[in-house]
Amino acid sequence: DGGITQSPKYLFRKEGQNVTLSCEQNLNHDAMYWYRQDPGQGLRLIYYSQIVNDFQKGDIAEGYSVSREKKESFPLTVTSAQKNPTAFYLCASSPDRGGDTEAFFGQGTRLTVV
Amino acid sequence: QQQVKQSPQSLIVQKGGISIINCAYENTAFDYFPWYQQFPGKGPALLIAIRPDVSEKKEGRFTISFNKSAKQFSLHIMDSQPGDSATYFCAASMGGDYKLSFGAGTTVTVRA
Repeated sequence: DGGITQSPKYLFRKEGQNVTLSCEQNLNHDAMYWYRQDPGQGLRLIYYSQIVNDFQKGDIAEGYSVSREKKESFPLTVTSAQKNPTAFYLCASSPDRGGDTEAFFGQGTRLTVV
Repeated sequence: QQQVKQSPQSLIVQKGGISIINCAYENTAFDYFPWYQQFPGKGPALLIAIRPDVSEKKEGRFTISFNKSAKQFSLHIMDSQPGDSATYFCAASMGGDYKLSFGAGTTVTVRA
């Protein structure tokens, strides 16, 4: 089955710890994204990558880091510098269609700080 | 700040009724306007999309209306069904830019 796989589905983190969220896609898409979803705020872009070994900050990149060493993988690290990390995190990918950015989303990872 | 403003935050409609969600944008460079549907605990999925060269697009019970001069677009769900109960997001992007700007979302509840 083609798609985007996020793991784990649920993640608990102690304050002060870094955690890494996994995102893998087998759709052969060039672009990948990380969004954060909070109630009443929609989806806010954290980081995105249009090509391997290159990525750009989104609107709320502070306290997060990413890497793009392989086309199919785009892991997100939530660092201890992120003051309010509890949220639903969504990974997405899109093909290069020259304009119509149809994003395909994973099932999400719910991160809770305990 | 949010580049796409969406309203209402939530709405309740009776089965068979019409649900209407509105979005407004400021950036006139936006040229692609998709709507996403999200069920609880799942990722959003593309529902329907429109470009500004058309004023309306219909797919089944879902219709997008687009008003370029007012910089507004809306989603109409006709003959709403309980299975349509979900959160709907409008979004916008500009040509050549991979990023989507999302609205805050509207939670639709269809009562049987």
